[in-house]
Amino acid sequence: QSVLTQPPSASGTPGQRVTISCSGSSSNIGRNTVNWYQQLPGTAPKLLIYNNNQRPSGVPDRFSGSKSGTSASLAISGLQSEDEADYYCAAWDDSLKGWVFGGGTKLTVL
Amino acid sequence: QIQLQQSGPGLVKPSQTLSLTCAISGDTVSSNSAAWNWIRQSPSGGLEWLGRTYFRSKWHTDYAVSVKGRITINPDTSKNQFSLQLNSVTPEDTAVYYCTREPGGGWGQGTLVTVSS
Repeated sequence: QSVLTQPPSASGTPGQRVTISCSGSSSNIGRNTVNWYQQLPGTAPKLLIYNNNQRPSGVPDRFSGSKSGTSASLAISGLQSEDEADYYCAAWDDSLKGWVFGGGTKLTVL
Repeated sequence: QIQLQQSGPGLVKPSQTLSLTCAISGDTVSSNSAAWNWIRQSPSGGLEWLGRTYFRSKWHTDYAVSVKGRITINPDTSKNQFSLQLNSVTPEDTAVYYCTREPGGGWGQGTLVTVSS
C-alpha cells in the first residue's frame, strides 16, 4: 500500500491531453514539493517534473505538473506513442522522514 | 552530466548481507547541495525509498522505517562513491536496487538482486 495514491491506469489517443492524479496528506504533498518520474519499459525511472512544476532540461513542454493542497497532477498534452510508460509521483514525508511514492500509473496510448 | 554506476552481486543468500556500491561521476559525494539515495523496485513494480546520505558541514543519514536496523549507507570520499548494506535479507528483499541523486534526478542503471538459496 503506497503512501501516495495514483490511479493504476490511464489512457488516451495520440494528440489528446491526459492527466494523472496523485493524492497525499498534510505530512507529504501538503508541506513539500512533488516530483514526477517516467519509467519506460526495462529502464530506470527518469525525472520528469520537480518542485511541483519544473521540467529538467530536455523534457518537452508537453509535460506539466501542478499541485493544490494535498494533491498533485501530471498533465501530458499532445500525447505521443512514446509516452506509453509508467508514471510515479513522489514527495518527502515529514512524519515518516523519508521519500514516499505513489503506486504508479500505467499510461497506454491507444 | 552526472552519471551513477552501480556494482555488486545479483544473488544473495537468505540471512546474508546485500552490498551494493554506486560510483559517482560529474559530481562529488561530499557536495553541499546533493543527497545520495538508495531506492528499490519490487517485482510488482512499486518504488520504495530505503535511505540517503548527505554532507552539510557533517555527514547525515536518513533511513526508511521499514529497513531501519538492517540498513547502512556509507559515503566513500576517497573513491567518490556511496554504498548500501542491507543485513539479514529475506526473499522479500528481492528487487531492482537503484542509486539516485537528489535534487535533479540522476539514477544508476539498476541492479536486480535476488535473494535465494
